[in-house]
Amino acid sequence: EPEVTQTPSHQVTQMGQEVILRCVPISNHLYFYWYRQILGQKVEFLVSFYNNEISEKSEIFDDQFSVERPDGSNFTLKIRSTKLEDSAMYFCAIQTSGVYEQYFGPGTRLTVT
Amino acid sequence: QKEVEQDPGPLSVPEGAIVSLNCTYSNSAFQYFMWYRQYSRKGPELLMYTYSSGNKEDGRFTAQVDKSSKYISLFIRDSQPSDSATYLCAMKKEDTGNQFYFGTGTSLTVIP
Repeated sequence: EPEVTQTPSHQVTQMGQEVILRCVPISNHLYFYWYRQILGQKVEFLVSFYNNEISEKSEIFDDQFSVERPDGSNFTLKIRSTKLEDSAMYFCAIQTSGVYEQYFGPGTRLTVT
Repeated sequence: QKEVEQDPGPLSVPEGAIVSLNCTYSNSAFQYFMWYRQYSRKGPELLMYTYSSGNKEDGRFTAQVDKSSKYISLFIRDSQPSDSATYLCAMKKEDTGNQFYFGTGTSLTVIP
């Protein structure tokens, strides 16, 4: 099973601040995803990233959010001007060649105060 | 109507019991079906996946898909305390990208 690490494990920020969440796949993959899980709620798709560009995004992924792969390895999710309702676990997932196989990282817990 | 529905539980069973976890869905475009296990404050861990209808077995786990009823199940035989977790079903449509649609998860506790 492919390994994915995410940093930081927990981020506390004040409302209105910008945060950058990082995902580091251990090996090369083509597809990357960000999902969000608000406490007690379901995992929700945010965005998929293929070949260095966004391939699909949900309604949640508005102008407040952006993704990039700045150095060819790390995959980042930037949230500008955070809101209280952005508090959630954010999971990065990677996909191998198989269509079913999305593997999730351990998540970053974002707390906006 | 939600696209994927899953009873949140909680479900509590004695060790050794057979556990049945279920999801229903409304969109017939779903063709790929996955089950994930999630421990508290951890990322979802892929357990099983199936394509279209049918059964798939892996050790103590069996996944079933009934597309005519839009119903999927995960069975756990000889349940162990280490199986205590939240189980998430996830689905993907055939023709629209790779977005997974998740159920809310069912919380399972296996009592020793």
